[in-house]
Amino acid sequence: GAGVSQTPSNKVTEKGKYVELRCDPISGHTALYWYRQSLGQGPEFLIYFQGTGAADDSGLPNDRFFAVRPEGSVSTLKIQRTERGDSAVYLCASSFAGGPNTGELFFGEGSRLTVL
Amino acid sequence: DAKTTQPPSMDCAEGRAANLPCNHSTISGNEYVYWYRQIHSQGPQYIIHGLKNNETNEMASLIITEDRKSSTLILPHATLRDTAVYYCIVRVRFGNEKLTFGTGTRLTIIP
Repeated sequence: GAGVSQTPSNKVTEKGKYVELRCDPISGHTALYWYRQSLGQGPEFLIYFQGTGAADDSGLPNDRFFAVRPEGSVSTLKIQRTERGDSAVYLCASSFAGGPNTGELFFGEGSRLTVL
Repeated sequence: DAKTTQPPSMDCAEGRAANLPCNHSTISGNEYVYWYRQIHSQGPQYIIHGLKNNETNEMASLIITEDRKSSTLILPHATLRDTAVYYCIVRVRFGNEKLTFGTGTRLTIIP
């Protein structure tokens, strides 16, 4: 498809389990972002990739959260030892960084994570 | 990034112009004003951005005051599909890539 694709759309897991969330950005977009959104709040920045490297990971809450983008396209957000407080919608966005529309991020529909 | 202040909620009658205000009194000279919206259960959607001149596109108009301390997003003829949370964000256009979202304004279009 033409947009940002995120899988799974819904994930229910048990406390302490490991979870992976996948993001497939728009083809050609060099920048990729992860956000998470709790009910009633705005999206909270987690990490930003420029190409394969994490340019800014200041939003990752702790070392249980990790993200990779090994080939500069698809990214995976990994959460170890999940806690109930990790329950949220995880949003991925991509953009063509450096172009005339820098600042225009294209978001996916999100992955809703529920930790029981 | 500078912080913004928006009213938590607003109503607007269908067919009328919706005017959404945003205060950004600490904006720096190289920071742009961006507007995004988020319709229920969807990811945020870019609307418009500007530096100091008023901007218009097919979705909306952006009016920025001369001192750049505030702005207004205008949806000229609101429809029910414009019901969403609208976020006003200020950030440097190049170099600092992340967008920092606040809690936005929940706009409800009344039939």
